Amino acid sequence: GQQVMQIPQYQHVQEGEDFTTYCNSSTTLSNIQWYKQRPGGHPVFLIQLVKSGEVKKQKRLTFQFGEAKKNSSLHITATQTTDVGTYFCAGSRLGTGFQKLVFGTGTRLLVSP
Amino acid sequence: EAGVAQSPRYKIIEKRQSVAFWCNPISGHATLYWYQQILGQGPKLLIQFQNNGVVDDSQLPKDRFSAERLKGVDSTLKIQPAKLEDSAVYLCASSLDTGIPYGYTFGSGTRLTVV
Repeated sequence: GQQVMQIPQYQHVQEGEDFTTYCNSSTTLSNIQWYKQRPGGHPVFLIQLVKSGEVKKQKRLTFQFGEAKKNSSLHITATQTTDVGTYFCAGSRLGTGFQKLVFGTGTRLLVSP
Repeated sequence: EAGVAQSPRYKIIEKRQSVAFWCNPISGHATLYWYQQILGQGPKLLIQFQNNGVVDDSQLPKDRFSAERLKGVDSTLKIQPAKLEDSAVYLCASSLDTGIPYGYTFGSGTRLTVV
C-alpha cells in the first residue's frame, strides 16, 4: 500500500534557527497537504499543494511539491517557540473517485528559547 | 463556524469491554473520517464516509470495530471487544467533498486507554 515517510523524526533547534522537514511518498500523489499538531492537540490544516514543482509561502513557512509529485518539503525560517509541534505531510492519490489521504510519520520540532 | 465536535474526550476501559465514540462534523461537510493515532505515530485512516455511505473501510478491523453515519451527519465508532493495542487517540475529521481535495478539519479527539 501507499507509504509516506518523513525525515527527520525529531529535531531540536535554538530559536531563530531554520528548520526543514522532508516528505517522501512511495507512489505519485495527486496533491499533498501539511498539518501541524501541537503537543496534546489535534492536527490543524496548514496548506495544500497540487501542481508539480509548486511552491507556496505562509509568512515564515515555505512549502514545496516535487517535480515528480512524490516528495515535498516544509521549511521554517527563523523558528519561534510557537512553532513547537509535530508536522505531518499527508498525500492523496485519487482512486475510484474519492480522495484518500495517507499521513506521513511526522517530524517533531522542539524550539528552545 | 463551529468545529468538529467529539465526545467523550477521555475514556478508560478494561480489555474485552466495549466503547463508543461520537462525532458531529462541520455543518455541510459531506465527508467524514475516523482516524486512529497511536502515540508517536501519524493518524491512520479507519473509515471514510461520503454522506451516509462508506467509501473506504479497508483498514477497519471489522471483527471488532464498527462505524455508522446516520442521516449523513453524526457518526459513531464502536469497539467491541477492546484490546490493549486499541489504546490510542481516535480522531474524527470532516471535509467538504471527497472528489475535490480540501483540507480536513479535525476534532479534538477521544483518548482511549485500555487496561
